[in-house]
Amino acid sequence: NAGVMQNPRHLVRRRGQEARLRCSPMKGHSHVYWYRQLPEEGLKFMVYLQKENIIDESGMPKERFSAEFPKEGPSILRIQQVVRGDSAAYFCASSPQGAGPTDEQFFGPGTRLTVL
Amino acid sequence: GDSVTQMEGPVTLSEEAFLTINCTYTATGYPSLFWYVQYPGEGLQLLLKATKADDKGSNKGFEATYRKETTSFHLEKGSVQVSDSAVYFCALSDLDSSYKLIFGSGTRLLVRP
Repeated sequence: NAGVMQNPRHLVRRRGQEARLRCSPMKGHSHVYWYRQLPEEGLKFMVYLQKENIIDESGMPKERFSAEFPKEGPSILRIQQVVRGDSAAYFCASSPQGAGPTDEQFFGPGTRLTVL
Repeated sequence: GDSVTQMEGPVTLSEEAFLTINCTYTATGYPSLFWYVQYPGEGLQLLLKATKADDKGSNKGFEATYRKETTSFHLEKGSVQVSDSAVYFCALSDLDSSYKLIFGSGTRLLVRP
């Protein structure tokens, strides 16, 4: 039973390029969460998606960042015109239904983005 | 807003030593509390949790007790092994949006043989 898959594991981009991060949730999970971990900080919530719907994007920067979770295929976190401050580890998590206050979220190994 | 503070690492211990990783939180109510562990090259895994005051979570020899009086959820293990080397994250669930986890900055544990 495969866990949450993220690819690529490492991504290097130059300033101004686009970064696309992919997340395949666990089988049977239709709820996806993205978190970002800046150096020396904890993971911070970015966005919560269900299939074809954005439920909460309150943690997403207002510009350059977008996320989707199409009916078919993985969830995508897209960062346009990357800047050095976007360098971070991006983690995806999933759950079978909307995670309640006591529910476990299942995390992928993360994508480490480096912006040169 | 709600927040979690963990002791800074790295924590280096010899095998069979006693482990404590401190975690304190700030929240307006009584959130659920979690410890997640990240082994090298892997995603975060839930280690244990506690959902109300005085609850004790335990798993794989690790324990943590939800202390409302001191707003703490310290992680302990009586005898660590080399295989426990990992990064440990304390977290709480946001009371307004329970799917949001609020994490501490993580504590790296290195256990030497």
